[in-house]
Amino acid sequence: QQQVKQSPQSLIVQKGGISIINCAYENTAFDYFPWYQQFPGKGPALLIAIRPDVSEKKEGRFTISFNKSAKQFSLHIMDSQPGDSATYFCAASYYGQNFVFGPGTRLSVLP
Amino acid sequence: KAGVTQTPRYLIKTRGQQVTLSCSPISGHRSVSWYQQTPGQGLQFLFEYFSETQRNKGNFPGRFSGRQFSNSRSEMNVSTLELGDSALYLCASSSTSGGSNEQFFGPGTRLTVL
Repeated sequence: QQQVKQSPQSLIVQKGGISIINCAYENTAFDYFPWYQQFPGKGPALLIAIRPDVSEKKEGRFTISFNKSAKQFSLHIMDSQPGDSATYFCAASYYGQNFVFGPGTRLSVLP
Repeated sequence: KAGVTQTPRYLIKTRGQQVTLSCSPISGHRSVSWYQQTPGQGLQFLFEYFSETQRNKGNFPGRFSGRQFSNSRSEMNVSTLELGDSALYLCASSSTSGGSNEQFFGPGTRLTVL
């Protein structure tokens, strides 16, 4: 129940395309769903996050779509750029604690 | 505000030794969490400290321990190192006040066990 599943494991997208990464969870107590971006040799950086009372949140080229009934959420990267090439992690937590991370998606954006 | 800092950034140890890693959270943050990141297992939660008390603990053996000081700085200790302990150890801090859940990571300490 604590697991967060993430797919795909790796993703290759052409520059200007849309990158979509999906996550699913089981624990309905989760109340916070962040996405992190990690470049090689760096720690994960908070990209965007959503709470379950909202179905979508957009920040620049990054959008989270959240489906509470399906217990799924996804990250959409519009107009993907080579600089977006990184590993992306979804996560879930409750009460500001107990963060559980997905296994990560390695995104490569081809120029 | 300065970000989360971790020292040292790189460490090489041999099996059987012990190691202590340090983490300084963002100013004002009282919660510090530690994670182990490996290519095969991803990000795995070790433990979380809040106001000098361990609040949550992951599924790691007792060789992994930690503590938090009154200034919120935290240390993590691994005793009797094993080859499998080679990993990137990440520290993350969060405010946990005002309903904020945001967790910010440091750059990590790369531990290599030979």
